[in-house]
Amino acid sequence: QVQLVQSGAEVKTPGASVKVSCKASGFPFSNYYMHWVRQAPGQGLEWMGIINPSGAITDWAQNSQGRLTMTRDTSTTTVYMELSNLRSEDTAVYYCARGNYYYYYFMDVWGKGTTVTVSS
Amino acid sequence: EIVLTQSPGTLSLSPGERATLSCRASQSVSSSYLAWYQQKPGQAPRLLIYGASTRATGIPDRFSGSGSGTDFTLTISRLEPEDFAVYYCQQYAGSPYIFGQGTKLDIK
Repeated sequence: QVQLVQSGAEVKTPGASVKVSCKASGFPFSNYYMHWVRQAPGQGLEWMGIINPSGAITDWAQNSQGRLTMTRDTSTTTVYMELSNLRSEDTAVYYCARGNYYYYYFMDVWGKGTTVTVSS
Repeated sequence: EIVLTQSPGTLSLSPGERATLSCRASQSVSSSYLAWYQQKPGQAPRLLIYGASTRATGIPDRFSGSGSGTDFTLTISRLEPEDFAVYYCQQYAGSPYIFGQGTKLDIK
């Protein structure tokens, strides 16, 4: 079945980086855009960025730009999100999500989320 | 950048009642590129509606979406116990593909 399996929870100190993985299965990974969305504790959903099927083109929310790197590996059907220079405000659940095949910019399949805690 | 404002913030209703959730955009959302998601506590969001009114695969027909331009509505015709959750709208007409702040639907 179609699924996105994310890596486990992370605890990081301020200033560090975190890299979250999301392994796709059950669909032709190389045909789909992939998104990253985060949710701080008790808060709403925040779109972070998107990576196109080839990995050559990405787009970010303005407040992610400069600290966010998204990559993908077609051989392992895995997409990665790396966030650098972490701050306490980056504490959140991070979701990967598949962009719809026809309209890339809404999300039709979601991973279960990865909790990232930033604390000294 | 389009801003989405959802109302009400919290909606308290009983099972069997009709729920009407609103999502208003700060500027017109072209081609009705508006989606709705449901999120239950501790779970990932789930796609309900895209294109303002098209139900996603497997979504019951008690969920319906309507609207165009700047005003969109998600209606749940008869609430089931499993429908009590938080609902988000999202515009995908242009980057950034932001979400509204959410409406919490809770049991009265």
